[in-house]
Amino acid sequence: GQSLEQPSEVTAVEGAIVQINCTYQTSGFYGLSWYQQHDGGAPTFLSYNALDGLEETGRFSSFLSRSDSYGYLLLQELQMKDSASYFCAVRDRDDKIIFGKGTRLHILP
Amino acid sequence: KAGVTQTPRYLIKTRGQQVTLSCSPISGHRSVSWYQQTPGQGLQFLFEYFSETQRNKGNFPGRFSGRQFSNSRSEMNVSTLELGDSALYLCASSPSGEGYEQYFGPGTRLTVT
Repeated sequence: GQSLEQPSEVTAVEGAIVQINCTYQTSGFYGLSWYQQHDGGAPTFLSYNALDGLEETGRFSSFLSRSDSYGYLLLQELQMKDSASYFCAVRDRDDKIIFGKGTRLHILP
Repeated sequence: KAGVTQTPRYLIKTRGQQVTLSCSPISGHRSVSWYQQTPGQGLQFLFEYFSETQRNKGNFPGRFSGRQFSNSRSEMNVSTLELGDSALYLCASSPSGEGYEQYFGPGTRLTVT
């Protein structure tokens, strides 16, 4: 089967760092994407990893390990506006785009 | 550039009816994908179009169909609506055919009664 596994919820404190993990099982793999979605809003693209390693974009970083079928999104200096759902996504060998069920990030003041 | 637009934003239909949703991608984007989002199932891939050709289709019944026009605008159609079709339908466009960087529209909230 093909699936992406993410924790359903994560809680962190404002100003802290949080890591959201994503493990995948697909018949093929062409890279891992991350999206953010606020309540009532549409998903917005955050990052894409085609190769192993860390990609940094401001306060957000994304990491991929193809050998471990694992990736994560790292959010630093958390702000209240970062409270949202975060999705990982892949395009598999069948050329279909699969999203994880999403991780709801709660930020405490 | 203007973002992805979707019309209508909200729709209420009765079981058995059909519905057509429209999506206008970001200018220059030739790839358009459609997703169904529900609280229980998350984001589920419906289909993807590139240069007017359906590139692939998700695991949805044949009641769900779509097309893309020469200007990259896309429509999806759901026939014989069922209560379970109530969902947020999202359209996304991508600057490349690889689709790993997608830009989503605000969605159409469909309620089937």
